[in-house]
Amino acid sequence: DTGVSQDPRHKITKRGQNVTFRCDPISEHNRLYWYRQTLGQGPEFLTYFQNEAQLEKSRLLSDRFSAERPKGSFSTLEIQRTEQGDSAMYLCASSKAIDGNEQFFGPGTRLTVL
Amino acid sequence: GIQVEQSPPDLILQEGANSTLRCNFSDSVNNLQWFHQNPWGQLINLFYIPSGTKQNGRLSATTVATERYSLLYISSSQTTDSGVYFCAAYSGGGADGLTFGKGTHLIIQP
Repeated sequence: DTGVSQDPRHKITKRGQNVTFRCDPISEHNRLYWYRQTLGQGPEFLTYFQNEAQLEKSRLLSDRFSAERPKGSFSTLEIQRTEQGDSAMYLCASSKAIDGNEQFFGPGTRLTVL
Repeated sequence: GIQVEQSPPDLILQEGANSTLRCNFSDSVNNLQWFHQNPWGQLINLFYIPSGTKQNGRLSATTVATERYSLLYISSSQTTDSGVYFCAAYSGGGADGLTFGKGTHLIIQP
């Protein structure tokens, strides 16, 4: 059973550019989460999917952020018109609801906006 | 939403020492997890423990749900135990996103 994978692991971009990250959850996990972690802080919840439905979005998720999970498997997180404040580690997690919803995290994508 | 507080924020110990990390939460929980974040940023699952006591090798955890706290015990610390330990909780009633504490930064010196 492979773990949660994320791609790319690192991304450096210039302010104003769009970026897209991918997350592949543990197979058969129907729930998928995105979190953001800035330096010295704990991760903060961004959004959540159950199968292909996006059920909740945090107030942290501005209009420049969009997430999809079109077939209920992998998910993408896109940031449009990146700003320096978007620099952070973006973490993906997945869980299987029937197991009490224990969440397992991927290695993260570290975004640097210049 | 639920508030999660961890203490101490920093802890420096000699190899071989024992340590106790505390997590207080402000509401009843459906999910409580302990993680170790390695230097590359990966969150490693230590315990899923909304209540009760669990042990895994040198690590153990106890959650007293009625008093809204959880403890992580590390015995016979090794330098590889260094890193940041996070407690995260979910209280229900909405998205299943975990609320994380600020973490305890543990340094084990040889």
